[in-house]
Amino acid sequence: DAGVIQSPRHEVTEMGQEVTLRCKPISGHDYLFWYRQTMMRGLELLIYFNNNVPIDDSGMPEDRFSAKMPNASFSTLKIQPSEPRDSAVYFCASRLTGRYGYTFGSGTRLTVV
Amino acid sequence: EDQVTQSPEALRLQEGESSSLNCSYTVSGLRGLFWYRQDPGKGPEFLFTLYSAGEEKEKERLKATLTKKESFLHITAPKPEDSATYLCAVQVYAGGTSYGKLTFGQGTILTVHP
Repeated sequence: DAGVIQSPRHEVTEMGQEVTLRCKPISGHDYLFWYRQTMMRGLELLIYFNNNVPIDDSGMPEDRFSAKMPNASFSTLKIQPSEPRDSAVYFCASRLTGRYGYTFGSGTRLTVV
Repeated sequence: EDQVTQSPEALRLQEGESSSLNCSYTVSGLRGLFWYRQDPGKGPEFLFTLYSAGEEKEKERLKATLTKKESFLHITAPKPEDSATYLCAVQVYAGGTSYGKLTFGQGTILTVHP
C-alpha cells in the first residue's frame, strides 16, 4: 500500500498565481479530507468528501479556494489567486468507513511570495 | 463549538524520564478521541483511538487513557526516537452520520535528550 500520495511536495509561487495541489487517496477509502497546518492555527479542516461528494466545506477560507474530487482516486485543491497568507503545509487524508484511523499524506509545503 | 486544548506546549525530558501529555476537550458528543505523532516534514501518523471513558490503549512506551473531559498520553522511559509533536483530535457525532471531521489540538512538542 503506497499510502496517501500528495504532489508536489513543495511549491513556491508568486502572489496572484494559481496553485493546484493534488492528492491520491488510499485505494478503497471512501472519505477524503483536506487540512491546512500553520504554526498559528495548527491543523484546520478545509473540506471533506464522501464517495467523491463534498460533505462539509465550511473550513474553506474564501472563494479563492476550491476543491474537486472527479473520481475515487484523485482530488485537487486549487487556490486562485494565491496570497502570501496562504503559505502553509496542506495535508490530504483518507479513511474507510468503519475504520477510525485517518491516514495522512506527507503534505505539500506552499510558499507564496 | 468543539474545543481541544493540549498541554504543555513543549516538554523536554531526559532519556528514561517518564511523563504525561494532556488533552482536554469540550465537545457536544464525543465519538472518538485520536492521538497522532508528527515528525518534522511529515504528515501525522495514527497512534490510538479511544471511544469511552475508562478506556486505555498501549503501544510500546506509550499508553493513552480517556476520561469524560480529558485524555492523557503517558510515555514510560522515553528514548530520543520518541521526540516528535504529539497531536490529539476529537471526532463528534454529526447529524445522521458520525463519520465527521477530526478537530485537532495545537500539539505538544516532545524532545527527549540522550
